[in-house]
Amino acid sequence: AQSVTQLGSHVSVSEGALVLLRCNYSSSVPPYLFWYVQYPNQGLQLLLKYTTGATLVKGINGFEAEFKKSETSFHLTKPSAHMSDAAEYFCAVSDYSGGGADGLTFGKGTHLIIQP
Amino acid sequence: DAGVTQSPTHLIKTRGQQVTLRCSPKSGHDTVSWYQQALGQGPQFIFQYYEEEERQRGNFPDRFSGHQFPNYSSELNVNALLLGDSALYLCASSRTVQSASYEQYFGPGTRLTVT
Repeated sequence: AQSVTQLGSHVSVSEGALVLLRCNYSSSVPPYLFWYVQYPNQGLQLLLKYTTGATLVKGINGFEAEFKKSETSFHLTKPSAHMSDAAEYFCAVSDYSGGGADGLTFGKGTHLIIQP
Repeated sequence: DAGVTQSPTHLIKTRGQQVTLRCSPKSGHDTVSWYQQALGQGPQFIFQYYEEEERQRGNFPDRFSGHQFPNYSSELNVNALLLGDSALYLCASSRTVQSASYEQYFGPGTRLTVT
């Protein structure tokens, strides 16, 4: 069974600073990996995804993530934080077994705080 | 282009009652997944429907059941509600291509409170 670990339930950065949110996964098959963002009282919005191919993935709002198989990691970064980035971020993994895609397994989330 | 819609937005029920939540997928999507998100937690996968059948199920009891209609919309039913069923219920839709369905788009959720 797959699992996701997000290091740090809360991360605080200054506006304009680098954002780094950590995600490690375990999966029995080559995984599909996702980052979602959730604003208060809203559903989840897809930021970016890794399926196959290029390991550096660019998403919306200036975010990107790099799939590192050897480290089983998929950390999310943004060069310069903006106040509007304050939200809850979830890393998720899906095993594609070929006979039908699995539902997503989510981490517990990281609350990103932006200091002015 | 309408995204994933869910109804109702909020719901209050009493222990032991039954509840039905509804979801309409994003245009062009044929697969619907349901998730439960407890306060302060990540979403947990309940089940996924494709071609009007439950294709996959997470670790949830039989009190949780669902249905998918020919127009791809879906319902989540929960029987014999418990206090622990209080959560945000999220519906996600996706498109299945060659048995693969992996990019899921989420609705705003239904907040269920059980008293």
